[in-house]
Amino acid sequence: ILNVEQSPQSLHVQEGDSTNFTCSFPSSNFYALHWYRWETAKSPEALFVMTLNGDEKKKGRISATLNTKEGYSYLYIKGSQPEDSATYLCAFQTGANNLFFGTGTRLTVIP
Amino acid sequence: GAGVSQSPSNKVTEKGKDVELRCDPISGHTALYWYRQSLGQGLEFLIYFQGNSAPDKSGLPSDRFSAERTGGSVSTLTIQRTQQEDSAVYLCASSPGTHASTDTQYFGPGTRLTVL
Repeated sequence: ILNVEQSPQSLHVQEGDSTNFTCSFPSSNFYALHWYRWETAKSPEALFVMTLNGDEKKKGRISATLNTKEGYSYLYIKGSQPEDSATYLCAFQTGANNLFFGTGTRLTVIP
Repeated sequence: GAGVSQSPSNKVTEKGKDVELRCDPISGHTALYWYRQSLGQGLEFLIYFQGNSAPDKSGLPSDRFSAERTGGSVSTLTIQRTQQEDSAVYLCASSPGTHASTDTQYFGPGTRLTVL
């Protein structure tokens, strides 16, 4: 089992604040890094798949960066809104077919 | 279009009973995955099906767990002689399977299993 760590475990921010979280993963046997958003009572929703060192992806107010050499990815949310409240999961993929998930960062945006 | 569906959404069972969880993947997706999330844990890979290839069962925690995928579509995860530690949310995901290593996985809503 590969160790994928996410920090912080949970986070409360005020509406309008920007925030970021970290995903740490092994720096060897890297194939891809996935970010998902999981809202309560819904299915996890894919945000990004990143494969190259230095990748940056953006979707609206959410963006992510990737450093495969040091084994971390950051997820940024600019101007947080209450609807951003969810658990954000990262998943590390080796050349195999399965994903190794972190335990997630639970974000609560306070109106 | 229809996403991944799972049934039942909730299942409460008694220790020692068998349970079956069902997953209907997105039509045309050749790859299907089962995961589970126990309380306070991350998503844990259980099993992976790709087309007609032999499934990757490396994540199944014990021989009480089995899964099949009939006709390359619907999948059933069976847990025999359930134990309290089997209580978890069981998630199914499917992906197109065209570029398996980086395909986005589309998740179902999960089945919450509680073993009393």
